[in-house]
Amino acid sequence: EDQVTQSPEALRLQEGESSSLNCSYTVSGLRGLFWYRQDPGKGPEFLFTLYSAGEEKEKERLKATLTKKESFLHITAPKPEDSATYLCAVQAKNTDKLIFGTGTRLQVFP
Amino acid sequence: ETGVTQTPRHLVMGMTNKKSLKCEQHLGHNAMYWYKQSAKKPLELMFVYNFKEQTENNSVPSRFSPECPNSSHLFLHLHTLQPEDSALYLCASSQGNRDTNTEAFFGQGTRLTVV
Repeated sequence: EDQVTQSPEALRLQEGESSSLNCSYTVSGLRGLFWYRQDPGKGPEFLFTLYSAGEEKEKERLKATLTKKESFLHITAPKPEDSATYLCAVQAKNTDKLIFGTGTRLQVFP
Repeated sequence: ETGVTQTPRHLVMGMTNKKSLKCEQHLGHNAMYWYKQSAKKPLELMFVYNFKEQTENNSVPSRFSPECPNSSHLFLHLHTLQPEDSALYLCASSQGNRDTNTEAFFGQGTRLTVV
């Protein structure tokens, strides 16, 4: 069964304190792995798509990496505005389904 | 603005009411999704439509009835709901072409409260 597990469940960082969020997955043939950011009361906002092991993508203070079993979202020198829940999802080949993890709730304090 | 618009943003309904949620996308996509988001749980896929055909039904109770009249519009008809159906209902769309890798874009959701 396709599955996504995210850790930690919650993360508190001081402004400027870099860290990483983990997304472990099992899927029957990966079509894509997706990272989203979600603010309270809003819909998820698309960040990155990763297609194959070894791939990396960057956007401002965020960098996403992918292996055959997991993905990391690295946050460098975070700011309070980076506070949000970060969601990971996978999509298997020959399916329209996106399977989500429970997310990591990130809080960045000044 | 993601190009996916959901209405209403908030809805309170009694257990005997009938209501509908609406989703419209302006991205030229062919696949549309309904997800349910409850506290402390991952997003739960409910339905997927690809080129107006339902391709996924994740064992959703019949009190939820989807309708996809065209690739730009998706509805979720609600009737005789239960309090445990209270949640954030999210609509999303994607290219829908299984030969390409494609991300889904979400609307802002409808916060549903069943009383």
